[in-house]
Amino acid sequence: DGGITQSPKYLFRKEGQNVTLSCEQNLNHDAMYWYRQDPGQGLRLIYYSQIVNDFQKGDIAEGYSVSREKKESFPLTVTSAQKNPTAFYLCASSKERGGPTDTQYFGPGTRLTVL
Amino acid sequence: AQSVTQPDIHITVSEGASLELRCNYSYGATPYLFWYVQSPGQGLQLLLKYFSGDTLVQGIKGFEAEFKRSQSSFNLRKPSVHWSDAAEYFCAVGARGAGGGADGLTFGKGTHLIIQP
Repeated sequence: DGGITQSPKYLFRKEGQNVTLSCEQNLNHDAMYWYRQDPGQGLRLIYYSQIVNDFQKGDIAEGYSVSREKKESFPLTVTSAQKNPTAFYLCASSKERGGPTDTQYFGPGTRLTVL
Repeated sequence: AQSVTQPDIHITVSEGASLELRCNYSYGATPYLFWYVQSPGQGLQLLLKYFSGDTLVQGIKGFEAEFKRSQSSFNLRKPSVHWSDAAEYFCAVGARGAGGGADGLTFGKGTHLIIQP
């Protein structure tokens, strides 16, 4: 079955450590996204990528980094510079960004807790 | 840039009663519109979408939504809710124009649906 996988489902990190969240899709989508979700805040866009080896900052990119070396994969690193990293992180993909094929499909999410 | 407002943070409905969740958008042209549902601790699932054509859109799980250009609204409806419909519902708006610089989806802050027995 085609879809998006995120791992791990739960992640715990000590303050001052970097951590990388995995996102893989087998939908053959060009565009991929990372969102952060906090209670009452809805979804906020962290980074997106429209094509391999290219990515753009979203609304809240500070303290995060990404790479897009393969079409199927879009890992997110939460760095120690992110001041409040505890949140639920969602990865999504779409055939393209903007336009009629920008229907985004979501992974199951990773809950990150900083201890 | 586009924006989305979901005026109701929480809504409580009795099981078997009808449901309407409100969504208002701001965008200069005809947008693409989506409704997603999220169960606790899960990702978002697409319920339905509107691109063009018939303004009444049917989705999964018995949901429908109506695009009203004059009111800039895309309200979600269901004639009879089930306890399993309890979840968070998100409306999203997307910009027209293909890739490269076009705005992606903008999400509302969500409406939490509670079902009373």
